Order: sequence, then C-alpha cells, then structure tokens
Amino acid sequence: GENVEQHPSTLSVQEGDSAVIKCTYSDSASNYFPWYKQELGKRPQLIIDIRSNVGEKKDQRIAVTLNKTAKHFSLHITETQPEDSAVYFCAASLNDYKLSFGAGTTVTVRA
Amino acid sequence: GAGVSQSPSNKVTEKGKDVELRCDPISGHTALYWYRQSLGQGLEFLIYFQGNSAPDKSGLPSDRFSAERTGGSVSTLTIQRTQQEDSAVYLCASSTWTSGGYNEQFFGPGTRLTVL
Repeated sequence: GENVEQHPSTLSVQEGDSAVIKCTYSDSASNYFPWYKQELGKRPQLIIDIRSNVGEKKDQRIAVTLNKTAKHFSLHITETQPEDSAVYFCAASLNDYKLSFGAGTTVTVRA
Repeated sequence: GAGVSQSPSNKVTEKGKDVELRCDPISGHTALYWYRQSLGQGLEFLIYFQGNSAPDKSGLPSDRFSAERTGGSVSTLTIQRTQQEDSAVYLCASSTWTSGGYNEQFFGPGTRLTVL
C-alpha cells in the first residue's frame, strides 16, 4: 500500500515568515494529493489539493507543489498569521477515495 | 447546513468491553469513511462505504472491528473486546461521489475512545 512520510513533525515560525512542509509518497501510481488543516480540538478540513497532472497550485497565501519524478509534494504558507497555527496533514491517494495520510506537522506561528 | 456528526464525543470503557460509535453523514452524501487517529499520528483509513457497493474493509486492523451503514445513511463502527491499543480518536467523514473524480471528504468532530 501507499506510504506517506511528512517532515518536519513540528515547525515554529515568526509571524509574517513562510512555512514549508514536505511529504514523500511511495507509490508512483498515486495521483491525488490533498492537504488538511486541523486546529486544536477541531475536525480536519481540506485547505488545498493537487492532482498529478498539475505541478503547482496556489490559493491566496497557500500553495502546493508536486514533483512526480521524485515522488514528493510540499505545502507553502506565506506571510504566516497566528490563525495558521494548527496541525497540517498531507495525504496521497491511488483511487477515488482511499487516502493515506502523513503523521502531521504541528505549526506554531509566533507573534 | 448540518455537517457530519458523531456520537458519543467521548467514550471511556474497560478492556474487554464492546463499544459502538455512531456517524451521521451530511445529507445526500453517498460516500462514508472511518479513520482512526492515534496520539501524534496521522489518520489511518479503516473502512469506506459507497452507495450499495460492497464496502472496502481493507483498513480494519483486526476482526474485532466491524462497521455497518444502514439505509445508506447512518453508520456504526463496532469494536468488540476492546484493548488498550484501541484508544484513539475515531473520525468519520462523508463526501459526494463522482466516478473517476476526487471528492472532498468532510470530517466529523470524532469520538475519543479511551480503553482502561
């Protein structure tokens, strides 16, 4: 099955700086890569996703890049704000529904 | 509209007891998923239901775990003879379903299970 590794496990950034989270996946057939944000005590929510026919996708301050050859994808958050503090999970999928998640990155934005 | 709901929010049980966890998906969502989130870990896929198709049970960790979805809506995850390693947050999600497409999964608040 698919195996997703995520780094770093924790990330502390100064407000206004950028944050980058990286994930690698094992199965080259994976073709869908969503990112979820989970605030403390709340449910995970989809923030951005990318499909294997696209190399980069942006949505305001967040962007995701995908390198299919190297089998890795990254989340970039620019101009970080306190409300960006949360746990972020990457995931990869081989089919329509089965997501394999990374272990998560706890992001703390320091004011 | 109402999101995915789960009950109970917290469940404390003794080792060896059976537990049932309930999920109410978003109305109209034909796909339903169960995940397990252990402390400091990512979400682990357990089982997937889509319409009247046979569920994908490939993620269930042992035969102590089972799930049903009655009437294509509410789902119940049952853990028999609970063990301490079953302690985790159990998350349910639902989505619409498009063949060959990718459908955003909307998560419930989870049930925190503690096995003493």
